[in-house]
Amino acid sequence: EAGVAQSPRYKIIEKRQSVAFWCNPISGHATLYWYQQILGQGPKLLIQFQNNGVVDDSQLPKDRFSAERLKGVDSTLKIQPAKLEDSAVYLCASSLPGLAYSYEQYFGPGTRLTVT
Amino acid sequence: AQTVTQSQPEMSVQEAETVTLSCTYDTSESNYYLFWYKQPPSRQMILVIRQEAYKQQNATENRFSVNFQKAAKSFSLKISDSQLGDTAMYFCAFISTGAQKLVFGQGTRLTINP
Repeated sequence: EAGVAQSPRYKIIEKRQSVAFWCNPISGHATLYWYQQILGQGPKLLIQFQNNGVVDDSQLPKDRFSAERLKGVDSTLKIQPAKLEDSAVYLCASSLPGLAYSYEQYFGPGTRLTVT
Repeated sequence: AQTVTQSQPEMSVQEAETVTLSCTYDTSESNYYLFWYKQPPSRQMILVIRQEAYKQQNATENRFSVNFQKAAKSFSLKISDSQLGDTAMYFCAFISTGAQKLVFGQGTRLTINP
């Protein structure tokens, strides 16, 4: 079974530039998550999709971050304009619906963003 | 709000030794799951072990086992016969069946020395 795919793996941009990350979840996984992991910290949920609808985006900085999941499969996360404090690893994860699958999430390799 | 606390930022042991990583959590929920995730230097996060709160029996997966103390809200991970490949960041995580939002601790960096 193919895992969660993310691209690019690394990105370096200057502040005020824009950047986009792409995620392809495990086939059949209806739930998709984007996390931000700042160096030395645990991942923090940015947004959660169920199919192509948003379940939770309470911690997404909506003035600069946006995300979409068209057709309930792939997803993109965009930052525009980027700030220095956005430097982090952005993790994508997917899962099958909740209780029946014990809420296990499968993570991609992440995209390391450096904002200079 | 749920919180997860890992009080050991770093740990280091010799290969073949046993090591225990600590985790405490705070919640008012009664139905929840606890996880330990491993994040090796390559950054791919993988699940190590899972514990359902309603189960009194501690979960085990080969060399990995947990000590789940529900009343104390404690969930420690024991790694027996540690191997070099166990070197990684370990994150304790919590999810309630109500909120369904995974909350992570700050992580413990574990180094296994040859």
